[in-house]
Amino acid sequence: QVQLVQSGAEVKKPGASVKVSCKASGYTFTGYFIHWVRQAPGQGLEWMGWINPNSGGTNYAQRFQGRVTMTRDTSISTVYMELSRLRSDDTAVYYCARVVVDIPAAWFDPWGQGTLVTVSS
Amino acid sequence: DIQMTQSPSSLSASVGDRVTISCRASQSITTYFNWYQQKPGKAPKLLIYSASSLQSGVPSRFSGSVSGTDFTLTINSLQPEDFATYFCQQSYSTPHTFGGGTKVEMK
Repeated sequence: QVQLVQSGAEVKKPGASVKVSCKASGYTFTGYFIHWVRQAPGQGLEWMGWINPNSGGTNYAQRFQGRVTMTRDTSISTVYMELSRLRSDDTAVYYCARVVVDIPAAWFDPWGQGTLVTVSS
Repeated sequence: DIQMTQSPSSLSASVGDRVTISCRASQSITTYFNWYQQKPGKAPKLLIYSASSLQSGVPSRFSGSVSGTDFTLTINSLQPEDFATYFCQQSYSTPHTFGGGTKVEMK
């Protein structure tokens, strides 16, 4: 079945970087974009950006520009999201999600299980 | 950025009730609109895509409708497993913004 499996929880100090992985299985890895979404404790969902696993092309939300980098390794069907210069308000669960496009519609399915990133001194 | 205004932020209901949740987009997004369900400690799960299409495996008591930029999620005959938080999302343009969520609680 189509599945996205993320790396485990991380604890980082302010100013550090974190790199979260998302391994895809059950479908053609290069055929679907992967998006990243985060959720702060008790809060809503915030879109961070996407990566095209085929070309490596990316599109980041403006508020993360300069701090986020999304990459992929096609040999192991894995995408990565690295966030640098971490602050306490970056504490959140980070999700990857595959986007399915069927014009005129696009939706996120499935989602990874989430990775909790805690930023604390 | 397209703003998604979701209401109510929370509601109390009983098993068997009919529940409606609304979401309004700040501009036209045609049918690039989705509903997700999230339970505590879990990832969001797709319920409705393209405004009114039911995702495979989702019970038929869930339905979606659209009128212009106003979108509605309806749950007919609420079941115990439906107590959760629901989010709307536009996928028309980036950033793919979400509504603030509606928490459906037991009355």
